[in-house]
Amino acid sequence: EIVLTQSPGSLPLSPGERATLSCRASQTITRNYLAWYQQRPGQAPRLLIFDASSRATGVSDRFSGSGSGRDFTLTISRPEPGDSAVYYCQQYGTSPYTFGQGTKLEI
Amino acid sequence: QVRLVESGPGLVRPSETLSLTCIMSGGSISPYYWTWIRQPPGKGLEWIGSIYFSGTTDYNPSLKSRVVISVDTSKNQFSLTLNSVTAADTALYYCARHGEPAARYNWFDPWGQGTLVTVSS
Repeated sequence: EIVLTQSPGSLPLSPGERATLSCRASQTITRNYLAWYQQRPGQAPRLLIFDASSRATGVSDRFSGSGSGRDFTLTISRPEPGDSAVYYCQQYGTSPYTFGQGTKLEI
Repeated sequence: QVRLVESGPGLVRPSETLSLTCIMSGGSISPYYWTWIRQPPGKGLEWIGSIYFSGTTDYNPSLKSRVVISVDTSKNQFSLTLNSVTAADTALYYCARHGEPAARYNWFDPWGQGTLVTVSS
């Protein structure tokens, strides 16, 4: 199975300071089928980005995804306190679909 | 707008069977794939398996020997059965839909709110 490694494990930032979250795969992800999810405390994960760089409906343009192959990035420009959450990457190009271990963002 | 709600017992005895149902409203069960994901307390996400509205399934090999996912299109619901449970199966169980119709390799959206299942005697 494809192992996704996210870094850093936690990311404390000040409001407005750009957040860069990394997701590295153990092998090339088919068709760049990679998603990013936001999970606030006590809530279900929420889709932010799919196909590595496409923003989901209703997601702020402060969230952007990039990357290809094995290396992917989620960037949050001008983070707000409400962005404090755990962020997971997920690959869905190969079954079993797998998730990274998460990055905890604290604003 | 599609809404998913998980239901089932919150407590299961070790070695017994965990059974959950996900009821979908606000949309159509076809022609989508539907999926189960779990999250142990304080830990990350694990994909359990997915089912197409026609009944075709795809399971995580790590759980395949103990899992059955089924669908009832007449009731707009799908179900998860996990047998021979242990404390390691204690988790928040989420149901979700694959984002695009008829797309097996797809992101998960939307998600249910999740239901906590504790395995304990």
